[in-house]
Amino acid sequence: AQSVTQPDIHITVSEGASLELRCNYSYGATPYLFWYVQSPGQGLQLLLKYFSGDTLVQGIKGFEAEFKRSQSSFNLRKPSVHWSDAAEYFCAVGINYGQNFVFGPGTRLSVLP
Amino acid sequence: EAQVTQNPRYLITVTGKKLTVTCSQNMNHEYMSWYRQDPGLGLRQIYYSMNVEVTDKGDVPEGYKVSRKEKRNFPLILESPSPNQTSLYFCASSKSTGTNSNQPQHFGDGTRLSIL
Repeated sequence: AQSVTQPDIHITVSEGASLELRCNYSYGATPYLFWYVQSPGQGLQLLLKYFSGDTLVQGIKGFEAEFKRSQSSFNLRKPSVHWSDAAEYFCAVGINYGQNFVFGPGTRLSVLP
Repeated sequence: EAQVTQNPRYLITVTGKKLTVTCSQNMNHEYMSWYRQDPGLGLRQIYYSMNVEVTDKGDVPEGYKVSRKEKRNFPLILESPSPNQTSLYFCASSKSTGTNSNQPQHFGDGTRLSIL
């Protein structure tokens, strides 16, 4: 069965430090990959997506992610975290030609001043 | 402004009392979907719709119904709500699926349901 794992439930970093959030998926074909961010009380906002081509994708708010097929991973990175980045981050996989979407359990990011 | 609108945003009700959560999008999207979000489980897909009059089950459809009579609306119906349906619900839409399936979803702001 398809699945998405985000091994880190909660990560705390200092403002200005670099960030990497991990995402691994299990899916037989090449998936469509997404990262979303959810601020408290809000819906999900798309940060970036990967469908094909260059495996390093750039998103909004200074985030980037790298697709590594050999590791079935799609890790999210940011070189310097801002306090406003504190939120919950979800990795998602689009399967069955986009009919279904499977989300990971989320990683909550806290940022220390 | 492009948006997905859910109503109500918050609802407290009792077991067995039928309720409907509405979802409307103004982007002329074909694809719409409902999710529930529970702590530690992320978002799980309840139902989705590829277009008008085309709906299908997601991962957790039990206890829910949907309809898609118009392109813009995709209501979620709980015929006889139970406490285990207490959750945060999100509606989402995207432009298309199939051969153009690489479209991200746009999410509503969520509906928090409490079933007593």
